[in-house]
Amino acid sequence: EVQLLESGGGLVQPGGSLRLSCAASGFTFSSYAMSWVRQAPGKGLEWVSAISGGDGSTYYADSVKGRFTISRDNSKNTVYLQMNSLRVEDTAVYYCATAPTVTTEVHYWGQGTLVTVSS
Amino acid sequence: QLVLTQSPSASASLGASVKLTCTLSSGHSSYAIAWHQQQPEKGPRYLMKLNSDGSHSKGEGIPDRFSGSSSGAERYLTISSLQSEDEADYYCQTWGTGIWLFGGGTKLTVL
Repeated sequence: EVQLLESGGGLVQPGGSLRLSCAASGFTFSSYAMSWVRQAPGKGLEWVSAISGGDGSTYYADSVKGRFTISRDNSKNTVYLQMNSLRVEDTAVYYCATAPTVTTEVHYWGQGTLVTVSS
Repeated sequence: QLVLTQSPSASASLGASVKLTCTLSSGHSSYAIAWHQQQPEKGPRYLMKLNSDGSHSKGEGIPDRFSGSSSGAERYLTISSLQSEDEADYYCQTWGTGIWLFGGGTKLTVL
């Protein structure tokens, strides 16, 4: 059974930093693309970042480019999202998701972790 | 520019059928999409991948009541024999080189 378990969310002040983690199990982690998708309160889904399973190429939405960094540790079956220079508008539930490649559909989702950016 | 457009809301009666639409922007009618369901207070769940020719492949455990079809730039999700647990938000998703994109979502109310 595929499981994606996010952690690391919480309350942070504007300009602060936070690192999210997503522990994966039930599939060959190193072969799959991993992604972060967020959902602001009462809003729809917004893709944030993705990392390929092969060469580890990374991709970012324009809204987070230069502030967020995605990485993966295949030995720990874990993907990370380092979030710096956080803004109020980054407040959202952050979901971890996996897909066969970065150019195909999401197959599995985590349950999400809430990030609140507020003073 | 690649854009996915969905109607904000839809409704149908218990036991009836409903057809939700996701429209690809001009010039992108050959793109495949995926449908995802998000029940209240839960994470999303993958329903199916839908190709431009209407062929589709469903995720694990997705009931036969869920089906997909395509016409031009429109991608459809049909849910038959509606049940109360089908009341949810439905999102379409597509992808390009280095980018994923979601539609704005359709909130389905089961009457």
